[in-house]
Amino acid sequence: GQQLNQSPQSMFIQEGEDVSMNCTSSSIFNTWLWYKQDPGEGPVLLIALYKAGELTSNGRLTAQFGITRKDSFLNISASIPSDVGIYFCAGHRTDKLIFGTGTRLQVFP
Amino acid sequence: ETGVTQTPRHLVMGMTNKKSLKCEQHLGHNAMYWYKQSAKKPLELMFVYSLEERVENNSVPSRFSPECPNSSHLFLHLHTLQPEDSALYLCASSQVWWDQPQHFGDGTRLSIL
Repeated sequence: GQQLNQSPQSMFIQEGEDVSMNCTSSSIFNTWLWYKQDPGEGPVLLIALYKAGELTSNGRLTAQFGITRKDSFLNISASIPSDVGIYFCAGHRTDKLIFGTGTRLQVFP
Repeated sequence: ETGVTQTPRHLVMGMTNKKSLKCEQHLGHNAMYWYKQSAKKPLELMFVYSLEERVENNSVPSRFSPECPNSSHLFLHLHTLQPEDSALYLCASSQVWWDQPQHFGDGTRLSIL
């Protein structure tokens, strides 16, 4: 089946550092979504991207919809302890929503 | 805080038991979804309901039986499950079928003994 390649799988960073993660696919998507999942909870939408080349920010988070429509990245600036969790990308096309395997982020004080 | 509520949060059952998972959305959405989340695997779509009609069934074994009595409620009936069915089961909803974004509940952690 279709897959999204999300990297890195995990990151261990110090508080205050910037974080970057990305998703790539061999297929084109119309929408890219980024979710965060805290332990014991469901995914929560962080950013939605609807147009190739779009760059969108949500506080310290910035995400971009790749110009080829086959990739997207998420940046977190000046990380804080509550950024800990698993970040998922998802690509949407017509009647398909494909999720990446997630990036597990650990932030140390 | 979520507009999608799932119960129970945790469920342990034997392979011969019958149980049901419940999902309720308070967002006025018309589409609801069941996903399975296993460790180190992407979220897997199981079922999609739009206006109480099933519109997608992704080759899910018949031991999982969904029910959508109205646009606010979604059930997943479980019967004769296998150990590999142990996972987090997530419910989601969206305004219309495949409209983005989807809003997720906190899931039911299912363990099969």
